[in-house]
Amino acid sequence: QQQVKQSPQSLIVQKGGISIINCAYENTAFDYFPWYQQFPGKGPALLIAIRPDVSEKKEGRFTISFNKSAKQFSLHIMDSQPGDSATYFCAASKRGSTLGRLYFGRGTQLTVWP
Amino acid sequence: EAQVTQNPRYLITVTGKKLTVTCSQNMNHEYMSWYRQDPGLGLRQIYYSMNVEVTDKGDVPEGYKVSRKEKRNFPLILESPSPNQTSLYFCASTRGVEQFFGPGTRLTVL
Repeated sequence: QQQVKQSPQSLIVQKGGISIINCAYENTAFDYFPWYQQFPGKGPALLIAIRPDVSEKKEGRFTISFNKSAKQFSLHIMDSQPGDSATYFCAASKRGSTLGRLYFGRGTQLTVWP
Repeated sequence: EAQVTQNPRYLITVTGKKLTVTCSQNMNHEYMSWYRQDPGLGLRQIYYSMNVEVTDKGDVPEGYKVSRKEKRNFPLILESPSPNQTSLYFCASTRGVEQFFGPGTRLTVL
């Protein structure tokens, strides 16, 4: 059973546009929601993360929006650049469970056209 | 430099021939994991280890074994590989809730 559902599977955006990737979860015990970025030939790396006590977190052009009541969170990439072309994974984990256990979405392949 | 290393990076083998993929981290992390990545399926956890001699199954453990005899090393063992284990494999170690991934091992089983 997929613990975290991610959409879309692929996304094509023009340079300068906004990229939006959505994730949803069911388990209310989740309390940490990171996004990982993966470039071709590399392992995923932490991009940005949020805890449910805030509704938004922004780091540069990357913003996570979090809706606790809807059990949804999303990644927004403003002014998307060709260098942002990568696969993005959302994830979730729950405090108190096995340390470090992350449940990943299936990933979104983002292509930004120049 | 803090890192997770995996070897080999690429491997082509035949059905039934035992193989080991090594993973090592130099960050003194207690928690380590193995994942496989397949198109459209994302990252699925195979096994994890909370410390030396403490391992447990993840979501897709069938056909795999692991061991954790030293804190820094967490090898993945395929005792009788099959074509459905053709995949991209990642080792990761964890500090707090952040996972640090290795560069990946692309395995092809013919």
